[in-house]
Amino acid sequence: DAGVIQSPRHEVTEMGQEVTLRCKPISGHDYLFWYRQTMMRGLELLIYFNNNVPIDDSGMPEDRFSAKMPNASFSTLKIQPSEPRDSAVYFCASSPPDREYEQYFGPGTRLTVT
Amino acid sequence: GDSVTQMEGPVTLSEEAFLTINCTYTATGYPSLFWYVQYPGEGLQLLLKATKADDKGSNKGFEATYRKETTSFHLEKGSVQVSDSAVYFCALHRGGNTGKLIFGQGTTLQVKP
Repeated sequence: DAGVIQSPRHEVTEMGQEVTLRCKPISGHDYLFWYRQTMMRGLELLIYFNNNVPIDDSGMPEDRFSAKMPNASFSTLKIQPSEPRDSAVYFCASSPPDREYEQYFGPGTRLTVT
Repeated sequence: GDSVTQMEGPVTLSEEAFLTINCTYTATGYPSLFWYVQYPGEGLQLLLKATKADDKGSNKGFEATYRKETTSFHLEKGSVQVSDSAVYFCALHRGGNTGKLIFGQGTTLQVKP
């Protein structure tokens, strides 16, 4: 079975550019989570969806960040404009119905903003 | 609010040594407790879980017991291997309609041959 798929795996961009990270959750999962991981701040939950609806976006750092889930098999996290402090590994995770604690993480996207 | 506190790392052990990574939590009600593991260059993966007091979760030789009286969920393994080198995260889930996991800060384990 395919796990959570994220693309790209690595992204290097210049400050001010728009960045779009993509995620395909595991089929049949109804929760989708976006996390950010850095050495300084550790693992942070940015936003999560249930049945394609955003439930809690309190972790989104600021208006430069936005996330969408147009259907059950695809989600995007967009940063516009990007800043060097956005450099991090971004993880997408999904979980099955009634077991939202059982999160399956993707391999992550390593973002570097120069 | 709910929180999870783990012992600071890194923890460095020799192969076949006994491992303990401490985890304590603060939460209202009766949360479920978890250990996740992150191997180098990968995302986190669920290692074990316990859903009620006195439950013991176990997997791959790792164990943790849900202790409500001490609000703890310490991770143990009797004999670590080099391949266990990873970052270990303790987490809680409050249940109900929230999907959120509350993670600790992670503890890095390095096992030397």
